[in-house]
Formats: sequence, C-alpha cells, structure tokens
Amino acid sequence: QSALTQPRSVSGSPGQSVAISCTGSMSDIGGYNYVSWYQQHPGKAPKLMIHDVTKRPSGVPDRFSGSKSGSTASLTISGLQAEDEADYYCCSYAGSYNWVFGGGTKVTVL
Amino acid sequence: EVQLVESGGGLVQPGGSLRLSCAASGFTFSDYWMHWVRQVPGKGLLWVSLIYSDGSGTNYADSVKGRFTISRDNAKKTLYLQMNSLRAEDTAVYYCVRDSRYSPDCWGQGTLVTVSS
Repeated sequence: QSALTQPRSVSGSPGQSVAISCTGSMSDIGGYNYVSWYQQHPGKAPKLMIHDVTKRPSGVPDRFSGSKSGSTASLTISGLQAEDEADYYCCSYAGSYNWVFGGGTKVTVL
Repeated sequence: EVQLVESGGGLVQPGGSLRLSCAASGFTFSDYWMHWVRQVPGKGLLWVSLIYSDGSGTNYADSVKGRFTISRDNAKKTLYLQMNSLRAEDTAVYYCVRDSRYSPDCWGQGTLVTVSS
C-alpha cells in the first residue's frame, strides 16, 4: 500500500487560510469516507482534528475543516493562528483492514 | 479521560525481540479495535497493525507481517505488540492508538524502539 501524497510544506500569515491536499486512489480515499487528519507538534503525539472526511471532534476549533473530491482529500485551516504551526498528516482506510497515512505537511505561520 | 500509556521500548540488537505494552484507561477497552502506528524520528506515520475488540481478528502491514504479533488482554485493559526478527528499519516511536469507526482517534505518547548493534 503506497503512502498518500501530501505537499511537504505550506505557509501563511496569521488570519489567512491554508489548504493541505492529500491524494490517494480509488483503493483508499476514493473508495471510502474514512479520511482523518492529525496535527502533530514537535515531540508530541498526533492529535485527531478531522474524521470521516468532514467531522470535527469535540474541542477542535471550527477553523479546521475537511473535504473530499474523488481520490483527493483536503484540510483547510481558516484564520491561521500561531499555534496552528505543526505537522499535519492525513489517513485513509484502505480496505481489508488496512490503513494508509500521508507523508505529512509542515504548516508554517509566517 | 482516555489514557493510553505505552511501555517496553528500548535498545535491541538486529535479529532480537521486544514486546511493547499499552495500558488503557478512561474508556471501555473491550469495546474498541486498537492499532499500533510507528514513526521514524523526523519522518512520517506508518500504520503497523490492528486487532479487533475481542481479539478474534488481526491485520498487519506487509513490512512487519510474519515478524510482529498484536494481541490484547481485555481483563487487564492492555494491548501488546510482540516484535521478533527486528531490523534496523524497525527503529521508530511506536504509538498505541484507539480506533473509532475506522478512524484512529486517541493516541498514546509513544515508546521508542531502537534496533542497533
């Protein structure tokens, strides 16, 4: 199972919006609505930000949103804040009880 | 509060074995599937293994199939990963992760496994 494809980095100024893409195939993202996104600060464990493509767990700010079109999922951070600077990973169910992660995207707040 | 606490990591020689444990609290452990996910320091996340809530089913990434065994003791609320025939490329932080409807949701703090002579 090949890793999902994410841009290595994105950046934006405080208050701006940034979007992170996550490209897979019909075997994973395109075939299931089980895409999740994780935020990871240095030295910390990943934290779930979005699940089931668009759903935000309790406590996650509503400036984080998720979407999917075909085999590409996206995470959008609106109103970028300094504390949003972190690595972000997408993940998709890939069938037959397999999961696949993206390579990660570093978000820099300028 | 959901808590997952991994232990058992350390330095092991190539070809050696190690068993990781993950103690769960704050939720009904026996109701949930559980994963192991690993991360080479400075690199991305890699899904390793899954076990059903009752332990009746398991699955593994191709890179560890035949060498790693996932198991659980619901009475002790503990998840395990037995790692045999370890290789240098298995060096990583190993995370214990709860699953919620096909989405890994809650993560432990991780335990570092280093395979080196």
